[in-house]
Amino acid sequence: NAGVTQTPKFRVLKTGQSMTLLCAQDMNHEYMYWYRQDPGMGLRLIHYSVGEGTTAKGEVPDGYNVSRLKKQNFLLGLESAAPSQTSVYFCASSRTSGGNNEQFFGPGTRLTVL
Amino acid sequence: TQLLEQSPQFLSIQEGENLTVYCNSSSVFSSLQWYRQEPGEGPVLLVTVVTGGEVKKLKRLTFQFGDARKDSSLHITAAQPGDTGLYLCAGAPGNNRLAFGKGNQVVVIP
Repeated sequence: NAGVTQTPKFRVLKTGQSMTLLCAQDMNHEYMYWYRQDPGMGLRLIHYSVGEGTTAKGEVPDGYNVSRLKKQNFLLGLESAAPSQTSVYFCASSRTSGGNNEQFFGPGTRLTVL
Repeated sequence: TQLLEQSPQFLSIQEGENLTVYCNSSSVFSSLQWYRQEPGEGPVLLVTVVTGGEVKKLKRLTFQFGDARKDSSLHITAAQPGDTGLYLCAGAPGNNRLAFGKGNQVVVIP
């Protein structure tokens, strides 16, 4: 099993460009999450999904959109990138929600917006 | 306001020394998790503590959940360079979405 995979690993964008980050999991998990990690800020939840076809806003959703058309995939889109979106993005998945359930993380995507 | 406060933010020690890092909150949690994140990788779960006062050991790492279930500590005995990483505590308040602390960055110098 590959677990959680993310593509691409690195990306540089110019302000105003758009891109999509892809997350895939092969563990048949219902829940999937997108986080961003910035120095001194910890992991902050952008959007999450509780199942195929559903999405919900997290702590910092502005400037991002997501889609979960297939259970195994969770896409994060930036329609018009801004320098403030320079960050490391992590996707995660879990079998169910709640504090007792392990979240499995991908290796991250390092995004720089110039 | 950060739900989970971790201290110290950064700790550098020599190989063989002991260290303790802390995760504190004013909220009560049904459980707390500890993850370790190595450079260039995603966090990986180390342990989940679920009972107030619980102590769990993972080789040289000892995790304790506070009696009131508001705090937790991680103690590393005889630290090794392989223990270097960012230690994140996480807990789910009433809405069931996991919240993470900012982490304890630990550097073990050979």
